[in-house]
Amino acid sequence: EIVMTQSPATLSVSPGERATLFCRASQSVSSNLAWYQQKPGQAPRLLMFGASTRATGIPARFSGSGSGTEFTLTISSLQSEDFAVYYCQQYNNWPPVITFGQGTRLEIK
Amino acid sequence: QVHLVQSGAEVKKPGASVKVSCKASGYTFTAHYIHWVRQAPGQGLEWMAWINPNSGGTNFAQKFQGRVSMGRDTSISTVYMYFNTLRSDDTAVYYCARDGAELASCGGDCYSHFDSWGQGTLVTVSS
Repeated sequence: EIVMTQSPATLSVSPGERATLFCRASQSVSSNLAWYQQKPGQAPRLLMFGASTRATGIPARFSGSGSGTEFTLTISSLQSEDFAVYYCQQYNNWPPVITFGQGTRLEIK
Repeated sequence: QVHLVQSGAEVKKPGASVKVSCKASGYTFTAHYIHWVRQAPGQGLEWMAWINPNSGGTNFAQKFQGRVSMGRDTSISTVYMYFNTLRSDDTAVYYCARDGAELASCGGDCYSHFDSWGQGTLVTVSS
């Protein structure tokens, strides 16, 4: 199966600053990559799909980039509600197995 | 809008089985895969399986093959996940999630990102 590796495990950033999260795939997943945000006690929420397309209702301060094996999620100016855990996910066609990264915890500095 | 409502929390003994349901509304039930994802306490997300509500076809992560099965009832827009021979390390929140791909756009069989999630069902396995 394709292994997704996120870095860093924890990222400490001050409100108003930029945060950059990384996700690496063990083999190419083309642009079949999504990002999710999860807050304590809540279900995950879709942020990005197709590596760079924002989901409905997601603010423009969230942006995604990359293709193949290297991906980035950037939050341009952190708001208080952005502090959460972020997961990347690949949904490539082959092998037909979906995998998530282990998550990056974004915390207030 | 799309809404997925799951059944309530369960407490089971090791070796028992559990059934978790996921009722969909707000869209054509047979037009999108439904996935199951679990999250053990303090851990990350783990994809388990999907079901094609139109054909009933399924696919499982290897570690769940043989212990997990799924079914659906199209008359009530509901998907079921059956998990047998439960162990203590199966204690987790189980989520259903709708696939973002519309099956009509890909020949009836495709998967993509997860655009809507149920509220989660806590399954506790303890003696």
